[in-house]
Amino acid sequence: AQSVTQLDSQVPVFEEAPVELRCNYSSSVSVYLFWYVQYPNQGLQLLLKYLSGSTLVKGINGFEAEFNKSQTSFHLRKPSVHISDTAEYFCAVNTRGSYIPTFGRGTSLIVHP
Amino acid sequence: SAVISQKPSRDICQRGTSLTIQCQVDSQVTMMFWYRQQPGQSLTLIATANQGSEATYESGFVIDKFPISRPNLTFSTLTVSNMSPEDSSIYLCSLGTGEGDTQYFGPGTRLTVL
Repeated sequence: AQSVTQLDSQVPVFEEAPVELRCNYSSSVSVYLFWYVQYPNQGLQLLLKYLSGSTLVKGINGFEAEFNKSQTSFHLRKPSVHISDTAEYFCAVNTRGSYIPTFGRGTSLIVHP
Repeated sequence: SAVISQKPSRDICQRGTSLTIQCQVDSQVTMMFWYRQQPGQSLTLIATANQGSEATYESGFVIDKFPISRPNLTFSTLTVSNMSPEDSSIYLCSLGTGEGDTQYFGPGTRLTVL
């Protein structure tokens, strides 16, 4: 079985500062990796995903993530955050052959002016 | 991408009553999922609902408590039965079309049980 650990429950940051949200996973087989964002009172929407190929994945709203197989990590980064990036961010993993992802607990990104 | 709507968006219910949540998709999909999102917790899968077959429930969830209907390829309902305060949560429906595919989520139903 796979598992996902998001190491930070809350990350406060000032506007225009860089941010990294950490995600580690555990799986005995190959995986697909996802980051979803949930704005207040909304459902989750996809930020980016890694299926195969280049380990650096670029997503919407200037976010990117890097798949590191040796460290079993998929950290999310943005070089300069905006107030509008304040939201809950979820890392998720699918093992190959599965239709159903496992989600991490989420990281609340709080951007201060 | 699919557009998913849920009704109601929120509700406050009394202990012992039941609430049915509706999920409507703007396209035909085979697999739909129901999740529970408790405060400060991850998303927990309740069940997978495929049209034309019984829903498949995850460990810890049973049909008597969370009956699901899937009458066609664009609609599903989840009922939360005999509610208690512990059922207070956000309930999300979603769909996914295949291995490694993006999951699309509805806006959620925020349930409070008094």
